[in-house]
Amino acid sequence: DAKTTQPNSMESNEEEPVHLPCNHSTISGTDYIHWYRQLPSQGPEYVIHGLTSNVNNRMASLAIAEDRKSSTLILHRATLRDAAVYYCILITQGGSEKLVFGKGTKLTVNP
Amino acid sequence: DGGITQSPKYLFRKEGQNVTLSCEQNLNHDAMYWYRQDPGQGLRLIYYSQIVNDFQKGDIAEGYSVSREKKESFPLTVTSAQKNPTAFYLCASSILGQPTGQPQHFGDGTRLSIL
Repeated sequence: DAKTTQPNSMESNEEEPVHLPCNHSTISGTDYIHWYRQLPSQGPEYVIHGLTSNVNNRMASLAIAEDRKSSTLILHRATLRDAAVYYCILITQGGSEKLVFGKGTKLTVNP
Repeated sequence: DGGITQSPKYLFRKEGQNVTLSCEQNLNHDAMYWYRQDPGQGLRLIYYSQIVNDFQKGDIAEGYSVSREKKESFPLTVTSAQKNPTAFYLCASSILGQPTGQPQHFGDGTRLSIL
């Protein structure tokens, strides 16, 4: 599985935008970029995924670099409920036998 | 509401004892998964199943066993052979067959501790 690299932690203020980076320099052409987040003492929650084009949904936006070697999860207005560990994962097209979670980025949101 | 239910939320195991963690889903998903999470770490796959009566080992299957007798149920047994079972156990499910890498839906986990 291709690896991803994320900062260990980030901090933001409430109602400000947050940009969470992810590097995946060994990504292959059939790898989709998925983001999950995990709140304390809960299971991970799917956030968003994409292949080449930027993606938007009700939770967040995903900006993918033109060479696909990096991506950024964007929370447009952080709330206290967005404080969580965010995981960037690569999933090969047609397969999801396992999700390979790294340590992710712990996001702290200050009131 | 559709979802994944794990029970119990907290479980304690005595030395030499087998314990079974329950996972039920009503999402009509084909695939189900068990992960283990240690403090400050990511998730590691224990077992997964894509169809009833069939399952495959993940990265850390030793000391664990599973069954898949019904589509909606995928119980995990932590046997006495698992020498370090204290962890947070997460069950997930997903649809198969979609080309985009389908999301997995997770339960709220079972926290297992040793007495």
